[in-house]
Amino acid sequence: KQEVTQIPAALSVPEGENLVLNCSFTDSAIYNLQWFRQDPGKGLTSLLLIQSSQREQTSGRLNASLDKSSGRSTLYIAASQPGDSATYLCAVMLLVGYQKVTFGIGTKLQVIP
Amino acid sequence: DAGVIQSPRHEVTEMGQEVTLRCKPISGHNSLFWYRQTMMRGLELLIYFNNNVPIDDSGMPEDRFSAKMPNASFSTLKIQPSEPRDSAVYFCASSSGLAGGARSDTQYFGPGTRLTVL
Repeated sequence: KQEVTQIPAALSVPEGENLVLNCSFTDSAIYNLQWFRQDPGKGLTSLLLIQSSQREQTSGRLNASLDKSSGRSTLYIAASQPGDSATYLCAVMLLVGYQKVTFGIGTKLQVIP
Repeated sequence: DAGVIQSPRHEVTEMGQEVTLRCKPISGHNSLFWYRQTMMRGLELLIYFNNNVPIDDSGMPEDRFSAKMPNASFSTLKIQPSEPRDSAVYFCASSSGLAGGARSDTQYFGPGTRLTVL
């Protein structure tokens, strides 16, 4: 059974700092890995999707890396802003006849102005 | 497109009552997922539909939970009878990914229904 762990559970940083969120998964036979953002009382928004054959993806100030063999991914946020405050979830997808996604609990990020 | 639509956004009910949550997926998407989110367990997949057919319901906690998808634009998740431990946020998501792994695609989430069972 796929298990996804995210560390840390919560993080508070001053505005402008670069930061790294970590995700680890137990079954390396993944199809892809996604990072989502969740704002309070809202649904999830996809930030970056990395296919299993890729090593990283970038979007603006966000960079996600994937090391499938070691079962790890990181989400790097450069020059953090208060608007980045949210919960970030890591999700891994297996293909078991369909796109079965397992989510981590998330990292709650607070960027202090 | 309006995105995935869920109703109601909030539901407060008493133990033993029937609860029905509703979802309208994005038009053209053929995959629909129901998830439950709690502080302790995070997001858990309850059931997955492909082309209106339930494919994997192994995450449905017990017989009190049932889900239907009568057509491509509507799905319901019903809890009968409801219990306090069912209190959670229930999300519906849809995607255009094809079964069998022909193509993967991101899942688009609705805003969720926050259920409180007293």
